[in-house]
Amino acid sequence: DAGVIQSPRHEVTEMGQEVTLRCKPISGHNSLFWYRQTMMRGLELLIYFNNNVPIDDSGMPEDRFSAKMPNASFSTLKIQPSEPRDSAVYFCASRFGAGQPQHFGDGTRLSIL
Amino acid sequence: GESVGLHLPTLSVQEGDNSIINCAYSNSASDYFIWYKQESGKGPQFIIDIRSNMDKRQGQRVTVLLNKTVKHLSLQIAATQPGDSAVYFCAENIANQGGKLIFGQGTELSVKP
Repeated sequence: DAGVIQSPRHEVTEMGQEVTLRCKPISGHNSLFWYRQTMMRGLELLIYFNNNVPIDDSGMPEDRFSAKMPNASFSTLKIQPSEPRDSAVYFCASRFGAGQPQHFGDGTRLSIL
Repeated sequence: GESVGLHLPTLSVQEGDNSIINCAYSNSASDYFIWYKQESGKGPQFIIDIRSNMDKRQGQRVTVLLNKTVKHLSLQIAATQPGDSAVYFCAENIANQGGKLIFGQGTELSVKP
């Protein structure tokens, strides 16, 4: 079975540019989560959706970050404008339902120069 | 704030030995716990989970123990193999918070051949 699919796997861009990260959750899963992982702060939840609706975005660092889930099979995380401190690995995870484990993609490694 | 933490940031074991990775949690409302394995360049991979109404659960070569009295969780890996080398995270699900997971900082397991 296909797992969570993220693209791109790597992104290098200059500060000030817009960055869009993409995620395809596992088919049939109804919750989707975006995380950021850094050495300093570990794995941090940014935002999550249940049935395509954003439930908790308290982890989104600033207004420069936004996330959408237009349908059950696709989500984006956008950073505009990007800054060097946004450099991190961004993970997407999905889950079948409450009380079920989240399954992670292999992440997007983002470097902002 | 309440958080999940790990006692040991690194653990080195000999191939064939058993490994024990520990995790302390502080939220008594947590009702579900998960262990993840993360290899370099990959996303966290689900290993095993346990609900708060259990104190032990076994998988293939892995066992999770939950002690709610002292808010402690452990992962035991039997006959540790070089392929087990990775960072291991525990995560807790706090009841009635929509499936949001709080992750520990991780323990790096190194298996010596």
